[in-house]
Amino acid sequence: QVQLQESGPGLVKPSQTLSLTCTVSGGSISSGSYYWSWIRQPAGKGLEWIGRIYTSGSTNYNPSLKSRVTISVDTSKNQFSLKLSSVTAADTAVYYCAREQDWFDYWGQGTLVTVSS
Amino acid sequence: DIQMTQSPSSLSASVGDRVTITCQASQDISNYLNWYQQKPGKAPKLLIYDASNLETGVPSRFSGSGSGTDFTFTISSLQPEDIATYYCQQYDNLPRTFGQGTKVEIK
Repeated sequence: QVQLQESGPGLVKPSQTLSLTCTVSGGSISSGSYYWSWIRQPAGKGLEWIGRIYTSGSTNYNPSLKSRVTISVDTSKNQFSLKLSSVTAADTAVYYCAREQDWFDYWGQGTLVTVSS
Repeated sequence: DIQMTQSPSSLSASVGDRVTITCQASQDISNYLNWYQQKPGKAPKLLIYDASNLETGVPSRFSGSGSGTDFTFTISSLQPEDIATYYCQQYDNLPRTFGQGTKVEIK
């Protein structure tokens, strides 16, 4: 059974960079034809896809965030990561990592990141 | 971006009722449509993929239909544990986009 777990700071100051890591267990991040995605959800609001990475390293980003987002993968650690630069209060949200095969079939539990000074 | 519009935004129904949620895409997405259930404080859970395919382990009271721009999600007999917010999501194009969600409550 594949499991995903987000980790990283829960509080980030405005203008700084948000950094999160997703650790995948129960299977190799390199096996199969899967993308590894980040999705976020502000409190009381809907879901926003941030972007994804394939194990080859190829990435796709949401154009609304593209200038600030970097997603990377470390296959040796079975992890992938999210960096979001120049954050503001509008980036406060629960951040989820998920496995995508056209649909998101496995999700992490989510981690709340608050942007505040 | 493909806009996904769900209706209603919320609904209240009795246990045993049939519940229907609709999702409209801003352009033709064939059957590239998924449905998720999200309970408070939890991650979304995949229920339906490819518009009408039930994910393994999901109760058969959940179903989906539609193609093109108009899709329907149905709970045939609402149970107390179905209280949640439901989202549709398209995968015809990038960026992946979700509907705004439909909150289902018990009357």
